[in-house]
Amino acid sequence: DVKVTQSSRYLVKRTGEKVFLECVQDMDHENMFWYRQDPGLGLRLIYFSYDVKMKEKGDIPEGYSVSREKKERFSLILESASTNQTSMYLCASSWIAGGPNNEQFFGPGTRLTVL
Amino acid sequence: RKEVEQDPGPFNVPEGATVAFNCTYSNSASQSFFWYRQDCRKEPKLLMSVYSSGNEDGRFTAQLNRASQYISLLIRDSKLSDSATYLCVVNPSGSARQLTFGSGTQLTVLP
Repeated sequence: DVKVTQSSRYLVKRTGEKVFLECVQDMDHENMFWYRQDPGLGLRLIYFSYDVKMKEKGDIPEGYSVSREKKERFSLILESASTNQTSMYLCASSWIAGGPNNEQFFGPGTRLTVL
Repeated sequence: RKEVEQDPGPFNVPEGATVAFNCTYSNSASQSFFWYRQDCRKEPKLLMSVYSSGNEDGRFTAQLNRASQYISLLIRDSKLSDSATYLCVVNPSGSARQLTFGSGTQLTVLP
């Protein structure tokens, strides 16, 4: 069974703090993704990575950075948290192969509140 | 215009009803299509892929109309356990990497 885990389910931080969200997958997937999910806006891609040390910007990368030092681990960093970054953050992973069913497997999510 | 648009609902239907969700996508070059299901306070999970010829998985039927850039999901004989948010998902480029998610349609099946 594919397992994607995230470091925290709930997190409360103050404006200006540096925030680290960690994601680990155990299926040797090449691709890893960070999304945020907000009511009415759905899932929006922040960053993704298709290999160790590789990263690409998604649709809303501003205010975020990422790190992928090991294949199984993908970190999302908020350098200076702001209240508009309060959201549900979801990590996902998938195999690199294309084809019709490039399923993404999601972690349980981290609900981040920035005060 | 959003890349993937869905009616947000909510759809409230009695057990046993048939319910249909629709979704439109803007990128005519999109390669593959999916429905994901997200239970309340849980992560999204793949429900089914959508093929050009249409496909069925038990009580669930998915259809694709490339000419109209339109995807549908039909649920027959609704169960209480079908209550969830259904996300329409499009792979815009055919690569294994990016998926574009709709904002979801909420379904509640009532006893």
